[in-house]
Amino acid sequence: NAGVMQNPRHLVRRRGQEARLRCSPMKGHSHVYWYRQLPEEGLKFMVYLQKENIIDESGMPKERFSAEFPKEGPSILRIQQVVRGDSAAYFCASSPLQTYGYTFGSGTRLTVV
Amino acid sequence: AQTVTQSQPEMSVQEAETVTLSCTYDTSESDYYLFWYKQPPSRQMILVIRQEAYKQQNATENRFSVNFQKAAKSFSLKISDSQLGDAAMYFCAYRIPTQGGSEKLVFGKGTKLTVNP
Repeated sequence: NAGVMQNPRHLVRRRGQEARLRCSPMKGHSHVYWYRQLPEEGLKFMVYLQKENIIDESGMPKERFSAEFPKEGPSILRIQQVVRGDSAAYFCASSPLQTYGYTFGSGTRLTVV
Repeated sequence: AQTVTQSQPEMSVQEAETVTLSCTYDTSESDYYLFWYKQPPSRQMILVIRQEAYKQQNATENRFSVNFQKAAKSFSLKISDSQLGDAAMYFCAYRIPTQGGSEKLVFGKGTKLTVNP
């Protein structure tokens, strides 16, 4: 079992470009979570998805950010028109149904220049 | 709103010694879970230990143990026989009970642990 796979590991974007972050959950896991870690901070919840459904997006900024978890393929966190304040490490985690713990990926570090 | 506070931004310990990292949280719930995660320089978030609030017995995982004081809303992590590989950021986290099996976590700001040889 390869664990939660995130790519790319590092991503550099210029202000105004789009960033697409990918997350492949562990085999058999149907729940995906995205968190953001700003410098010197803990992780902050962004969104919780199941296959083809957004369950809780209470931590997502209202504009420019979107997430999906299609029936086939990885979960995608998309940030449009990036700004310097979007620079952070973005972590994905996955879990099987009805459990009380999940597995994190290694994160994608986004740098906006 | 639930909050998690780690009052020690940095701690250091001598190799083979014991260190305790502090964590307090705020909640009105009676049933919840608490976690300690380790984040080494590789950035990987690694689950160290978990505690169910309904269990009075403190959780233990090898050299890692917790002191869970539910009434005081305190959840400290004790690392015994510290090793160089224990050097990392340590995050305390609380699981918000939500509907639909969601396991949204609230994290503290972390404690950077240095292990001196």
